[in-house]
Amino acid sequence: NAGVTQTPKFQVLKTGQSMTLQCAQDMNHEYMSWYRQDPGMGLRLIHYSVGAGITDQGEVPNGYNVSRSTTEDFPLRLLSAAPSQTSVYFCASRMGQQLHFGNGTRLTVT
Amino acid sequence: GQQLNQSPQSMFIQEGEDVSMNCTSSSIFNTWLWYKQDPGEGPVLLIALYKAGELTSNGRLTAQFGITRKDSFLNISASIPSDVGIYFCAGQNSGYSTLTFGKGTMLLVSP
Repeated sequence: NAGVTQTPKFQVLKTGQSMTLQCAQDMNHEYMSWYRQDPGMGLRLIHYSVGAGITDQGEVPNGYNVSRSTTEDFPLRLLSAAPSQTSVYFCASRMGQQLHFGNGTRLTVT
Repeated sequence: GQQLNQSPQSMFIQEGEDVSMNCTSSSIFNTWLWYKQDPGEGPVLLIALYKAGELTSNGRLTAQFGITRKDSFLNISASIPSDVGIYFCAGQNSGYSTLTFGKGTMLLVSP
């Protein structure tokens, strides 16, 4: 099993550009989520989904969109990147209470 | 929303030393979890605690769920260089509710 796979691993964007961070899991987990990790701030929840077709906002949703058309995939979209979105982004899926994290996407917005 | 205060923020210790870190909350949680993040990777679950007062071990790691349900601690005994990383506590209320994470404790171990 690959677990939770995130692509790309690294990305540099210019302010105003858009992009999609991909996340796929092969564990048939219903729950998926996106976190961002910033120095001194820990892990903050951006958006989450409890199943295909259902999404909800987390703690820091502004500037990000998500959709969940399949159980396996949960992409995170930045419509107009801002320097404040420079961060490391983690996707995670969950069965019960154990979160399984991907290895992250390091995004820099210049 | 709920907030977790995790301390210390960072620790620099010698190999072989014991380490203790803790998390406190202003509100109660029904589950406490401890994760470790190795450099360049995502966090991985170390220990899950489900009952107030519970003390659980995983090798050299021991964690406790505080009796008030508002705190938890993690101890690492006889630290080794591969213990280096960021340790996160997380609290959850029930079922599929979201997890609240602490800000993390960065551990550095000198050989």
